[in-house]
Amino acid sequence: DTGVSQNPRHKITKRGQNVTFRCDPISEHNRLYWYRQTLGQGPEFLTYFQNEAQLEKSRLLSDRFSAERPKGSFSTLEIQRTEQGDSAMYLCASSLRDRVSGANVLTFGAGSRLTVL
Amino acid sequence: GIQVEQSPPDLILQEGANSTLRCNFSDSVNNLQWFHQNPWGQLINLFYIPSGTKQNGRLSATTVATERYSLLYISSSQTTDSGVYFCAVEPLWNTDKLIFGTGTRLQVFP
Repeated sequence: DTGVSQNPRHKITKRGQNVTFRCDPISEHNRLYWYRQTLGQGPEFLTYFQNEAQLEKSRLLSDRFSAERPKGSFSTLEIQRTEQGDSAMYLCASSLRDRVSGANVLTFGAGSRLTVL
Repeated sequence: GIQVEQSPPDLILQEGANSTLRCNFSDSVNNLQWFHQNPWGQLINLFYIPSGTKQNGRLSATTVATERYSLLYISSSQTTDSGVYFCAVEPLWNTDKLIFGTGTRLQVFP
C-alpha cells in the first residue's frame, strides 16, 4: 500500500472553469476526509465520508463544491465556476477507527494545489 | 467551537539545538495528533497522542488532557526538521474530524 494518493498535484485554471480532484485512500480505510489549506493557515475541514455515506459537510463547502465517494473507495471533489478565492491546497486524508481503543489516526495525501487565475 | 492555539508561531534554531512546541486546546478532546508539514506541503503524522508520553527517535510528545495541552519536543534539531508543525484535535463533542491549530513554523540553520 502506497498511502493516500491525490491527483492532480497541481492545477491552474481560469476563473469560471470547473475542476475535479481525485483521492485514493489507503485501501482498508473506511473514512475519507477533505480539507482545504490556504497560505499561512492550518488545514480546515470540508467534509468526510464513512464508506460511501457523506456524514458531515462544513459551512465552508459552498453550493459550488460537491464531493462524492460512489463505491466507498476513491473520492472526487469538484469545484464548479471557480473563483480566485478557491485557490488553495486541497488535502485528502483517510482513516480506520480502531474498534477497541477508539483511535482514529488520519493519514494525509500530498495534496492538490489549485491556482485560479 | 474548540480553539487550538500553538506557540511559538515562529522558531529559528541552529542545528543541534533543542526546542519545545506547545499546543493548547479549549475543550475536552478524544484524540490528538502532531503533524510535520514539509516544504512541499505533505503532512507527515508524527504522533497520535490523546494522553501520556511517546518517543520516536529525536522527537517526543506529551499530552496532559486534563489540563488541555500537549508538548512536542525536538532534540538535536537538523535542517530536515524545518517546516510547519501542527497539532490537531478531535473534539469530544464532535468526533470523527480533526481541528487543526495555528501551527509553529520552524527553521533550522546549519
